[in-house]
Amino acid sequence: DAGVIQSPRHEVTEMGQEVTLRCKPISGHNSLFWYRQTMMRGLELLIYFNNNVPIDDSGMPEDRFSAKMPNASFSTLKIQPSEPRDSAVYFCASSLSWWEFFGPGTRLTVL
Amino acid sequence: DAKTTQPTSMDCAEGRAANLPCNHSTISGNEYVYWYRQIHSQGPQYIIHGLKNNETNEMASLIITEDRKSSTLILPHATLRDTAVYYCIEANSGYSTLTFGKGTMLLVSP
Repeated sequence: DAGVIQSPRHEVTEMGQEVTLRCKPISGHNSLFWYRQTMMRGLELLIYFNNNVPIDDSGMPEDRFSAKMPNASFSTLKIQPSEPRDSAVYFCASSLSWWEFFGPGTRLTVL
Repeated sequence: DAKTTQPTSMDCAEGRAANLPCNHSTISGNEYVYWYRQIHSQGPQYIIHGLKNNETNEMASLIITEDRKSSTLILPHATLRDTAVYYCIEANSGYSTLTFGKGTMLLVSP
């Protein structure tokens, strides 16, 4: 099993640009999570999907952030427009029941 | 905010047991204690979880006090590759979102 796959691994963009992060969960898992990690705030849950349906998006910082899960094998996190304070490592995780499997993360730098 | 309390950092000599404590004095009856770790530049990795009985797997052992207000994660023979931030988290069974605190930075030295 390849584990959770995230792309790109690194993204550098300029303020105001749209950024799309992608995630492929582990096959058969029915829950998907997006997290953000910064030095200041640590690891924060942004949104959680179960069976492709968003269950809890209370961690999404503002309307510039949106997440979709069109099918069981793909999810996106979009930031439009991006700002320097969005610079962070974004992790995707998937789960079937007891625990979560995390991807390698996408390091986003917004200049 | 995270509901658990962990030391900020700990040191351990390679080959020795690493014992990482966690206080979770407000844990409710249906909440499990989960441990994850994050090696530098990687995503968090699940280690072990338990409700009230001690648990052991190929990675570690989890000792939970009888009153469930604290627990200890034990890495029996720490290696340099065990250097990581270790997170202790309370979460419900089946499914529940994880709230990560600051964790304990474990440094294993030769």
